[in-house]
Amino acid sequence: ETGVTQSPTHLIKTRGQQVTLRCSSQSGHNTVSWYQQALGQGPQFIFQYYREEENGRGNFPPRFSGLQFPNYSSELNVNALELDDSALYLCASSSNRGGEAFFGQGTRLTVV
Amino acid sequence: QQQVKQSPQSLIVQKGGISIINCAYENTAFDYFPWYQQFPGKGPALLIAIRPDVSEKKEGRFTISFNKSAKQFSLHIMDSQPGDSATYFCAASSMIYNQGGKLIFGQGTELSVKP
Repeated sequence: ETGVTQSPTHLIKTRGQQVTLRCSSQSGHNTVSWYQQALGQGPQFIFQYYREEENGRGNFPPRFSGLQFPNYSSELNVNALELDDSALYLCASSSNRGGEAFFGQGTRLTVV
Repeated sequence: QQQVKQSPQSLIVQKGGISIINCAYENTAFDYFPWYQQFPGKGPALLIAIRPDVSEKKEGRFTISFNKSAKQFSLHIMDSQPGDSATYFCAASSMIYNQGGKLIFGQGTELSVKP
């Protein structure tokens, strides 16, 4: 059974650019959630995808968007990057039967 | 009403001592309460979780105590070890409405266990 994997692990972007982060969910999981974790803070929920549909969204602007693919992997896209978008972006997968959410190692995004 | 409040912000414990971290919530729809452990540069790792139909759950040195009427829950780490030094997050979600994936996290507690 493979765990949650994210790519890339680190990324540096310039303000105004766009970025795509990727996540492979744990085997058997059909739900993927994305979180933003600023330094010294708890993770903040961005949105969740269940069976390729968005299934809830946190308090993030529309320039944060996502996709889930038929194999349940997922992408997080952020347009018009701002300096405050610098954070650790975490992906978590879960099963609608089990409920426990398991996190990947995260992608550290730095916007300069 | 969606907040989960965690305390203390930081904690220093001697090796072999008991570490206690507390959390409080407002939303009575929450019905799943996990604790996560996070090391620097890593993603959070699920440590232990509880549902409100029990008041206590123990796994090895880790115990969750749950007080439904007070809307509080806590993590106890017995016989704390230097390897336990990490940041701990409590969280809450509603299994009925969102299949457990939408977690509301506390602010975190940085635990340091001194040898």
